[in-house]
Amino acid sequence: GAGVSQSPRYKVAKRGQDVALRCDPISGHVSLFWYQQALGQGPEFLTYFQNEAQLDKSGLPSDRFFAERPEGSVSTLKIQRTQKEDSAVYLCASSSPLAGGPGELFFGEGSRLTVL
Amino acid sequence: KQEVTQIPAALSVPEGENLVLNCSFTDSAIYNLQWFRQDPGKGLTSLLLIQSSQREQTSGRLNASLDKSSGRSTLYIAASQPGDSATYLCNTDKLIFGTGTRLQVFP
Repeated sequence: GAGVSQSPRYKVAKRGQDVALRCDPISGHVSLFWYQQALGQGPEFLTYFQNEAQLDKSGLPSDRFFAERPEGSVSTLKIQRTQKEDSAVYLCASSSPLAGGPGELFFGEGSRLTVL
Repeated sequence: KQEVTQIPAALSVPEGENLVLNCSFTDSAIYNLQWFRQDPGKGLTSLLLIQSSQREQTSGRLNASLDKSSGRSTLYIAASQPGDSATYLCNTDKLIFGTGTRLQVFP
């Protein structure tokens, strides 16, 4: 596609519900990143995929957070048993390697999660 | 662990001024540094990408420099306009973001 697409744009969940957030990266981009952005803060790294391999998940805040990218394209971030502190914007980005480095990062519009 | 700091945290200026936004990082072993702008309620828009072998990049009224040895990058905005009002973020190697500079340019 022309850009990174995320869905849903807005999600309201009751505390304890499970949610799934989807990211469609730019076609052909091998790298995919998830970030969490709280209000007034910069994005915080969650996890990183290269193709279908999850190379770094050090930023996932708890074992309630799980991400997958089974076919190396679309990715899903799943949050189980949501808590109020999970309320944030979840940003997805993709890139293609450039001259030995990670390349330019392109972001989606984000999914805003509100947990009541 | 890489730490990224942006100064100032906020800036409010009349239009027409030339601006300097600063980004400093603690680990100089980076592949590249990228500057973004973020409008309220939106995702991040890439402005400039500086690879480690480069010293600067320019796009229109924007110029970004990179000094790896001192762990600094600077974003220059020439002849600022109200449409430049946004939060500006720098990022190293995709993982670590600064907290941003919130810029307001008033007519």
